[in-house]
Amino acid sequence: EVQLVESGGALIQSGGSLRLSCAAAGISVSMNYMSWVRQAPGKGLEWVSMIFSGGRTYYADSVQGRFVISRDESKNIVYLQMNSLRVEDTAVYYCARVNRIAVAAADSWGQGTLVTVSS
Amino acid sequence: QSVLTQPPSVSGAPGQRVTIPCTGSSSNIGSGSYIHWYQQLPGTAPKLLIYANNIRPSGVPDRFSASKSGTSSSLAISGLQAEDEANYYCQSYDSSLRAIFGTGTKVTVL
Repeated sequence: EVQLVESGGALIQSGGSLRLSCAAAGISVSMNYMSWVRQAPGKGLEWVSMIFSGGRTYYADSVQGRFVISRDESKNIVYLQMNSLRVEDTAVYYCARVNRIAVAAADSWGQGTLVTVSS
Repeated sequence: QSVLTQPPSVSGAPGQRVTIPCTGSSSNIGSGSYIHWYQQLPGTAPKLLIYANNIRPSGVPDRFSASKSGTSSSLAISGLQAEDEANYYCQSYDSSLRAIFGTGTKVTVL
């Protein structure tokens, strides 16, 4: 069974930085595609970033240049380093495993961690 | 980035069939990208409902089905039940391999 547990969410001022973590169990983060997806209060889902098993990374235009996705194979954790945070980055951030066998569908999700950016 | 458009809401009585359209463009759905559908119950994380256009993961009732044609897809819920009241999202990839979600549809069971 795949388990993903996010942590690191907090209340932070605009312009600040924060690092989210996604601890995985039941899978190897280095052998899977892993994504971050966010959901602003009362809004829909927004894809944020993905790291492929080979290490290539992709970002949404809204976070390009400010956020960095990475992973620690020894700890089996995926990170999202968020810099120059803006009020509009306020959201619940979900970590998800993107399953290549399921044609890159996100088949496992964490419970989410809340990031609140104040002005 | 490109957007997948869904109606904000659909509703139906218990037992009825409802459909949720997801409209994209030639740069995402129309380019051959697969469509996935997610269900998000209130206060919970999204759950994969349909992948690769029309395949149900193990454990998903066969009341849920989906299809794809051209630049759009459609999710159907047959025999609507109270527990189906949730938000539903379609998802695909654009030509730059960036994931895109639909705008989301709230299903209300009358």
